[in-house]
Amino acid sequence: GQSLEQPSEVTAVEGAIVQINCTYQTSGFYGLSWYQQHDGGAPTFLSYNALDGLEETGRFSSFLSRSDSYGYLLLQELQMKDSASYFCAVSPQGYNKLIFGAGTRLAVHP
Amino acid sequence: DTGVSQDPRHKITKRGQNVTFRCDPISEHNRLYWYRQTLGQGPEFLTYFQNEAQLEKSRLLSDRFSAERPKGSFSTLEIQRTEQGDSAMYLCASSLSSGFGNTIYFGEGSWLTVV
Repeated sequence: GQSLEQPSEVTAVEGAIVQINCTYQTSGFYGLSWYQQHDGGAPTFLSYNALDGLEETGRFSSFLSRSDSYGYLLLQELQMKDSASYFCAVSPQGYNKLIFGAGTRLAVHP
Repeated sequence: DTGVSQDPRHKITKRGQNVTFRCDPISEHNRLYWYRQTLGQGPEFLTYFQNEAQLEKSRLLSDRFSAERPKGSFSTLEIQRTEQGDSAMYLCASSLSSGFGNTIYFGEGSWLTVV
């Protein structure tokens, strides 16, 4: 089976940096993805790591350590619009099917 | 650019009734997924199709649930004899099966309330 753990809530102020951690246990592993979901909206893709290391996309970066079964999403220069839920997801079988964590609700305050 | 579209967006039904949701994926995508999401939780995988073939079904998908993708384009998810526990958002998603890159595109979801 698969299990993912991430903090349920994180609070930060505008302009700050926040890191959302994710640890996983899975019988197979092809990669770790991150998705953002605003209230009432669709989950939208942020980043994907198949190999160890850091992937940077604008203000967002994602890191993976396969040996530690651990990854994180780093959000820099936080903006109010970043208030949303963030989900890590693993691909246990092949590259496309995703198993999601319970999500981290990020609240950004002025 | 047409994304994944789902219909209806909201459905209220009485317990015991049948409901059907439709999903139109991104046109060139050959993989289509159904997920279920409840408040405060992440999306739970239900099933997926490669073209018209249903390749995997989760144990979450009881016998009351059936999904089809008859021509490898749109898909329907039917829930028979609905129960209050079926109340959730049903998300459809699509992707290419080209492998590396793992971008799955989600629709806005169909909210189901069983009363």
